[in-house]
Amino acid sequence: EIVLTQSPSTLSLSPGERATLSCRASQSVSSSYLSWYQQKPGQAPRLLIYGASSRATGIPDRFSGSGSGTDFTLTISRLEPEDFAVYYCHQYAGSPLTFGGGTKVEIK
Amino acid sequence: EVQLVESGGGLVEPGGSLRLSCAASGFTVSNAWMTWVRQAPGKGLEWVGRIRSKTDGGTSDYGTPVKGRFTISRDDSQNTLYLQMNSLKTEDTAVYYCHTGLSGYWGQGTLVSVSS
Repeated sequence: EIVLTQSPSTLSLSPGERATLSCRASQSVSSSYLSWYQQKPGQAPRLLIYGASSRATGIPDRFSGSGSGTDFTLTISRLEPEDFAVYYCHQYAGSPLTFGGGTKVEIK
Repeated sequence: EVQLVESGGGLVEPGGSLRLSCAASGFTVSNAWMTWVRQAPGKGLEWVGRIRSKTDGGTSDYGTPVKGRFTISRDDSQNTLYLQMNSLKTEDTAVYYCHTGLSGYWGQGTLVSVSS
């Protein structure tokens, strides 16, 4: 089973700042089958990024994903007020599929 | 418009069973890979399992904590996905979501509480 470790667990930033979230896998994620989700309280998760770097439909270009192998990054170039939420990475390379523990991006 | 509506959650005693439903509209469930994900109160997301599309064999696989206890199935006539949960444990308490994978559609979730 591929274990995903996200860091930091909490990121305290101000609107307009850049956010960099990390996701490290316990083994290589083949074909970059890694996605990122955003979740706000009381809501279902929302797909942001798939294939490590492809933005899902309707996702603003301030969100970008990068990485391969075991190290992946989600970058939010300039935080908007609606971006404060919890972010999860998710690997779908092999069963069982797994999620990271999440990074909470909070307002400083 | 694609919509997923889960139902069937509720309170059940440890060792009991429950069947969740995920009614789909706007697409055909049998043509899609469908997934169940859960979230315990105040915790992160956990992958429960998935079922492949009919053309990809229609087989299913499961996360380690639920393997052998949970079963995913479909009713093509109802365009509905199911999650049969048996031998429930207190640690199965969570909001359960169905979703369509990378096409990005999720239901609103249904709460399952396992307690005596």
